[in-house]
Amino acid sequence: GAGVSQSPSNKVTEKGKDVELRCDPISGHTALYWYRQSLGQGLEFLIYFQGNSAPDKSGLPSDRFSAERTGGSVSTLTIQRTQQEDSAVYLCASSLVDGTQAFFGQGTRLTVV
Amino acid sequence: DAKTTQPNSMESNEEEPVHLPCNHSTISGTDYIHWYRQLPSQGPEYVIHGLTSNVNNRMASLAIAEDRKSSTLILHRATLRDAAVYYCILRDRGGGADGLTFGKGTHLIIQP
Repeated sequence: GAGVSQSPSNKVTEKGKDVELRCDPISGHTALYWYRQSLGQGLEFLIYFQGNSAPDKSGLPSDRFSAERTGGSVSTLTIQRTQQEDSAVYLCASSLVDGTQAFFGQGTRLTVV
Repeated sequence: DAKTTQPNSMESNEEEPVHLPCNHSTISGTDYIHWYRQLPSQGPEYVIHGLTSNVNNRMASLAIAEDRKSSTLILHRATLRDAAVYYCILRDRGGGADGLTFGKGTHLIIQP
């Protein structure tokens, strides 16, 4: 596709369940970012992938959060044992590594009930 | 620490120009100045970026101070659709996790 694609667009899960959120970046983009945005708040950085380098996980809020990027393309953000405070919109962005414009997906709205 | 400083909110009238300021006094020589905006219930979208010279595109203009310590995003004729949160960020040419760090941005309100 032409842009960054995220799925699902909406996810409702029960507290304690695990969820997986998917991001398909633009083809050829080596940099990939995950963010979380709670209602009415700013973008909170979670994790950054760049090519085959070790990811920067400095923004992950707890060990319940993990992410992987297979083959330098698709990325999956996994949240284990979800809590109500995990409810937010999760956004993915990709870019070329040279600092040019980043492209965002439309996000996954996660609701933990 | 935030690399950029922006006013929390600004208000303007429809069909008038809007000047959104951004201070970035610690900018380095390899930092690009990027602007993004986030419309309600959408992901952020790219607006414009520049390094040293002023830039124009179909969405906006970017005026960069000679010492590069500040910049201004100019919307030449605001519409109601331009109501959004506007983010000014510094993006190093080498990328990295710090290369896409968002502050609180400026909430632009457009009055009809």
